[in-house]
Amino acid sequence: RKEVEQDPGPFNVPEGATVAFNCTYSNSASQSFFWYRQDCRKEPKLLMSVYSSGNEDGRFTAQLNRASQYISLLIRDSKLSDSATYLCVVNIPGSARQLTFGSGTQLTVLP
Amino acid sequence: DAGVIQSPRHEVTEMGQEVTLRCKPISGHDYLFWYRQTMMRGLELLIYFNNNVPIDDSGMPEDRFSAKMPNASFSTLKIQPSEPRDSAVYFCASSLGGTFQPQHFGDGTRLSIL
Repeated sequence: RKEVEQDPGPFNVPEGATVAFNCTYSNSASQSFFWYRQDCRKEPKLLMSVYSSGNEDGRFTAQLNRASQYISLLIRDSKLSDSATYLCVVNIPGSARQLTFGSGTQLTVLP
Repeated sequence: DAGVIQSPRHEVTEMGQEVTLRCKPISGHDYLFWYRQTMMRGLELLIYFNNNVPIDDSGMPEDRFSAKMPNASFSTLKIQPSEPRDSAVYFCASSLGGTFQPQHFGDGTRLSIL
């Protein structure tokens, strides 16, 4: 099983739609979780951290489900500018390799 | 505030040549990471440093790759000799505090080996 797994998509949604992505992780002791977005031919950029109680930043909501070992990202009222690849990032305790990046979920918001 | 600065932005060279990529982390950050990204393999961690000391280089593909961090504000990734399969985007990232803190990426170096 991969340490961090994401549905690669692509997710194609109309403008204004709500879309959600999940990301599963294998190590139950993981404690740090982040969502990054990466635009085509650009660097990954931090979108938001994921806190135990869940957190919201404008149209974006991140949730953590420790029992099922996944994190989620919900985007409400999606905009054309939300089109990007979304990477989940998880720390792997006991590994020297610090944070592990998922392979990303591609989102295209259609007009 | 200045982010992570990488140079060059683009590099095109012939196979067999030496390639040197450069990175200046965010001032005050104590962790520096080198990644490689391709369509086939995604984002791969090559090596990372903590306080200028290499901690994990298990992601370095082979002996042709080497990385140094002579001081807190500068790091290099060198490929010698370069091969076409090394063509990729190479990112440098830095963070303050390691595992529990997010990493901030530079713009990347787009490397093409002919």
